[in-house]
Amino acid sequence: DGGITQSPKYLFRKEGQNVTLSCEQNLNHDAMYWYRQDPGQGLRLIYYSQIVNDFQKGDIAEGYSVSREKKESFPLTVTSAQKNPTAFYLCASSLGAADTQYFGPGTRLTVL
Amino acid sequence: SQKIEQNSEALNIQEGKTATLTCNYTNYSPAYLQWYRQDPGRGPVFLLLIRENEKEKRKERLKVTFDTTLKQSLFHITASQPADSATYLCALGVSGGYNKLIFGAGTRLAVHP
Repeated sequence: DGGITQSPKYLFRKEGQNVTLSCEQNLNHDAMYWYRQDPGQGLRLIYYSQIVNDFQKGDIAEGYSVSREKKESFPLTVTSAQKNPTAFYLCASSLGAADTQYFGPGTRLTVL
Repeated sequence: SQKIEQNSEALNIQEGKTATLTCNYTNYSPAYLQWYRQDPGRGPVFLLLIRENEKEKRKERLKVTFDTTLKQSLFHITASQPADSATYLCALGVSGGYNKLIFGAGTRLAVHP
């Protein structure tokens, strides 16, 4: 099956810990994105990557880091510097930078 | 300031009626607008895209209009069904070197039998 997968579905973190969220796609898309969704707010862009080995900060990149070593994979690390990390995290991909974005199922991160 | 607004209150309608959801924006000049459906705990699913030079787009029971003068998009679901119950997100596509999407917070639709 083609699509975007995210793992884990639920993730719990203690304060002060870094955690890494996985995002994989087998759609052969060049561009990938990470968003954060909080109740009552629209999705907000954390990071995006238009091509392998390149990525750019979005609107709320502080406290997050990414890598794009392979076309299929775009992992997001939530660092201890992120002060309010509890949220629903969504990964998306698009064929090119100006094409429709398709979303994964999301990871819900809770800080204990 | 730049804003994109969708009705925060849930829309409740009877099965078989037409549901109309509104997306208003200010201080943006979008090249296109997209509508997504999101079920609880799931990722958004792309439904329709309408470009700035298009007035209306249809797909099966869905219809989207885009009025760049009023800065508004309307999303219609005709002959609504309980399975249409979900949150619907609008997203503005703005130019800037990549496919930057600005999302509204979404409107929850509940279709009652």
